[in-house]
Amino acid sequence: NAGVTQTPKFQVLKTGQSMTLQCAQDMNHNSMYWYRQDPGMGLRLIYYSASEGTTDKGEVPNGYNVSRLNKREFSLRLESAAPSQTSVYFCASSTFMNTEAFFGQGTRLTVV
Amino acid sequence: KQEVTQIPAALSVPEGENLVLNCSFTDSAIYNLQWFRQDPGKGLTSLLLIQSSQREQTSGRLNASLDKSSGRSTLYIAASQPGDSATYLCAVRPNNNNDMRFGAGTRLTVKP
Repeated sequence: NAGVTQTPKFQVLKTGQSMTLQCAQDMNHNSMYWYRQDPGMGLRLIYYSASEGTTDKGEVPNGYNVSRLNKREFSLRLESAAPSQTSVYFCASSTFMNTEAFFGQGTRLTVV
Repeated sequence: KQEVTQIPAALSVPEGENLVLNCSFTDSAIYNLQWFRQDPGKGLTSLLLIQSSQREQTSGRLNASLDKSSGRSTLYIAASQPGDSATYLCAVRPNNNNDMRFGAGTRLTVKP
């Protein structure tokens, strides 16, 4: 059982470049999330999808877009990367919004 | 806005000690609280989930308690081992908000 799988694991971008972070879960979960983790700040929610077909902004959505492609997949897109978006990005999923959350292994993104 | 604090930020103990990690939150209107473990460069592993109606949850050597009225949770680790060395994060899910709020974590080192 793979759980939550994120690709890529590492990425270096130049300022202004775009990229999409991929996330897939095989637990038949309804809800999926994207977080970023920065030193000393804990994890902060970027966007979430309570169920297939819906997406909503979290605490820090600026500069990002998301797509809930189907029940399994939830992608995060950076249209024009900025150095402030250098971070570790985590995807998570849960059965519903108020149940136990499971996390992927993270994507370490550096924007130069 | 819900704020979650974890003190201390770092803790070092000799192997075999029993220890307590603390998590406090500012708004007692929570749906549940979840404790995670994070190893360096890795994702988050769910340890325990406590619903707001519960006082504690146990898994092996771990015991988590919840006191909603005082805005506090503790994670008790019995007979600590070097393999317990990791960062421990608590996260609170508010009642009427889909944003799970994280503390910055406690970095635990258990010395052989």
